[in-house]
Amino acid sequence: DAGVIQSPRHEVTEMGQEVTLRCKPISGHDYLFWYRQTMMRGLELLIYFNNNVPIDDSGMPEDRFSAKMPNASFSTLKIQPSEPRDSAVYFCASSVEVKNTGELFFGEGSRLTVL
Amino acid sequence: RKEVEQDPGPFNVPEGATVAFNCTYSNSASQSFFWYRQDCRKEPKLLMSVYSSGNEDGRFTAQLNRASQYISLLIRDSKLSDSATYLCVVNARNTGFQKLVFGTGTRLLVSP
Repeated sequence: DAGVIQSPRHEVTEMGQEVTLRCKPISGHDYLFWYRQTMMRGLELLIYFNNNVPIDDSGMPEDRFSAKMPNASFSTLKIQPSEPRDSAVYFCASSVEVKNTGELFFGEGSRLTVL
Repeated sequence: RKEVEQDPGPFNVPEGATVAFNCTYSNSASQSFFWYRQDCRKEPKLLMSVYSSGNEDGRFTAQLNRASQYISLLIRDSKLSDSATYLCVVNARNTGFQKLVFGTGTRLLVSP
């Protein structure tokens, strides 16, 4: 079975450019999460969706960040304009439910470098 | 104060050694606790849940101390393949069970 699929795997861009990261969750999973990982701050939850509806976006750093989930099989995280401090690995994860199992299935991540 | 705190390590141990990691959490109302493992430049994966009574999975033992708000992971008979970063995870305050907060991780290096 295919896991969570993210693209691109690597992105190098210049400050001020728009960046779009994409995610395809595991089929049948109704929760989707976007995390950001840096050495200093570890894994930070940016936003999560349940049945395509954003539930909690309190982790989104600022208005430059936006996320959408137009259908159950696709989500995007957009940064516009990008800044060097946005450089990080962005992970998408999906799950059926988290309450008891705590199991999130992560994609391989998108490594973003903003010059 | 961070919601979940871990010693970053690294813990350098020889093969066969026993090693323990601790993690503290700030929200006394947290109900769910987990350990994840992350290999270098890979995605995190669930290692095991942590139950109130403690639980074991092969060489791995997890303990929860609610009074002191800490969680531990014990690895016995360490293998080279155990080298990874171990992430302590708890559900976030007042937001139900779907929002998991990750610690920054403890790095383990097992040497021959």
